Amino acid sequence: EAGVTQFPSHSVIEKGQTVTLRCDPISGHDNLYWYRRVMGKEIKFLLHFVKESKQDESGMPNNRFLAERTGGTYSTLKVQPAELEDSGVYFCASSQALGHYSTDTQYFGPGTRLTVL
Amino acid sequence: QKEVEQNSGPLSVPEGAIASLNCTYSDRVSQSFFWYRQYSGKSPELIMSIYSNGDKEDGRFTAQLNKASQYVSLLIRDSQPSDSATYLCAPSQGGGNKLTFGTGTQLKVEL
Repeated sequence: EAGVTQFPSHSVIEKGQTVTLRCDPISGHDNLYWYRRVMGKEIKFLLHFVKESKQDESGMPNNRFLAERTGGTYSTLKVQPAELEDSGVYFCASSQALGHYSTDTQYFGPGTRLTVL
Repeated sequence: QKEVEQNSGPLSVPEGAIASLNCTYSDRVSQSFFWYRQYSGKSPELIMSIYSNGDKEDGRFTAQLNKASQYVSLLIRDSQPSDSATYLCAPSQGGGNKLTFGTGTQLKVEL
């Protein structure tokens, strides 16, 4: 079974440009999460999809970030326009919806390292 | 106060010894607790999960939870050099199970 995949693995852009990150969850997983780790800090939650619906977007830093999950399969996270402080590693994770959210195991993708110059 | 506190380390233990990793959390409503292992430049990998007070053992790993003290720990017995990594404590919050991570403890197992 394929794991969570993310594309690209690295992205270097200039301040003010737009970048779109993609996440393909494990097949059949209804829950999809985005997290981010900026240098020297802990991994922080950004948002959570259940199928195509945003369940919780309380961690999104501002309106320069837009996440979508059309059709409830893959998800994209767009940053527009990118700022220097957006640099970090963006992780995607997915889990099955087993009816007991609290016991779901989240499987993480390899991450996308974003560098904004 | 951080939501999840971990000693950043590095924690150095000799091969074959027991490594003890500790974590405290501030959100009393957290119900589930996860330990992830992260090798440098890689993604977090689930090691253990625990939901009830007490101990849970899985192979060389034992997770301990004390909700009254808001404390969770991970013991690694017979530590191996391959256990050298950063260990992340992550309570889950809310019905959506979002994870709140600590900064992680770097473990070094020396030959």
